Amino acid sequence: EDKVVQSPLSLVVHEGDTVTLNCSYEVTNFRSLLWYKQEKKAPTFLFMLTSSGIEKKSGRLSSILDKKELFSILNITATQTGDSAVYLCAVPNAGGTSYGKLTFGQGTILTVHP
Amino acid sequence: SAVISQKPSRDICQRGTSLTIQCQVDSQVTMMFWYRQQPGQSLTLIATANQGSEATYESGFVIDKFPISRPNLTFSTLTVSNMSPEDSSIYLCSANPQLAGYNEQFFGPGTRLTVL
Repeated sequence: EDKVVQSPLSLVVHEGDTVTLNCSYEVTNFRSLLWYKQEKKAPTFLFMLTSSGIEKKSGRLSSILDKKELFSILNITATQTGDSAVYLCAVPNAGGTSYGKLTFGQGTILTVHP
Repeated sequence: SAVISQKPSRDICQRGTSLTIQCQVDSQVTMMFWYRQQPGQSLTLIATANQGSEATYESGFVIDKFPISRPNLTFSTLTVSNMSPEDSSIYLCSANPQLAGYNEQFFGPGTRLTVL
């Protein structure tokens, strides 16, 4: 069974801090890893990673994948209160039954205090 | 990307009743999915909504409880039948606008269901 594990489960920081969120995975038919931000109900897509060692960057957020060690990290620099959210890591099933199914990690609850 | 709308956004229902949630995508997509997020939990796939055929359900979810329709490439419905308080969750539909299943999925705004 596919498994995605995130750490830490929760994190409390102050504005301006840098945070690193971790995601490890054990899946068959791996082709990509996705990061989402969930503030209220709907997860918002952040990044899709398919290749090891290539950093994806969007503003203060960046992410990288290590396919040898089976993990990914999401970095947020100079955090702001608006970054407070649940960050979800997910891996799509790229073959066989349940094709396209996303297996999610438990999520990391990030709280940024002013 | 894909823009997805869902309705209702929230509802409070009585035990034993049924609720149908609608999901509309702004473009034709090959794959649509329905997820459930119970309080304090992550997302769990209920089923894949297949256009022109029956939905494919994940272990622990059955068609009698969660019937799904997918009449075309932009629309799907999920019905939560004979509801109990344990069905109180956020229900989310998602769509993959690409042909390959490993690409990003986009989510609708979700339906927050409370069953009394």
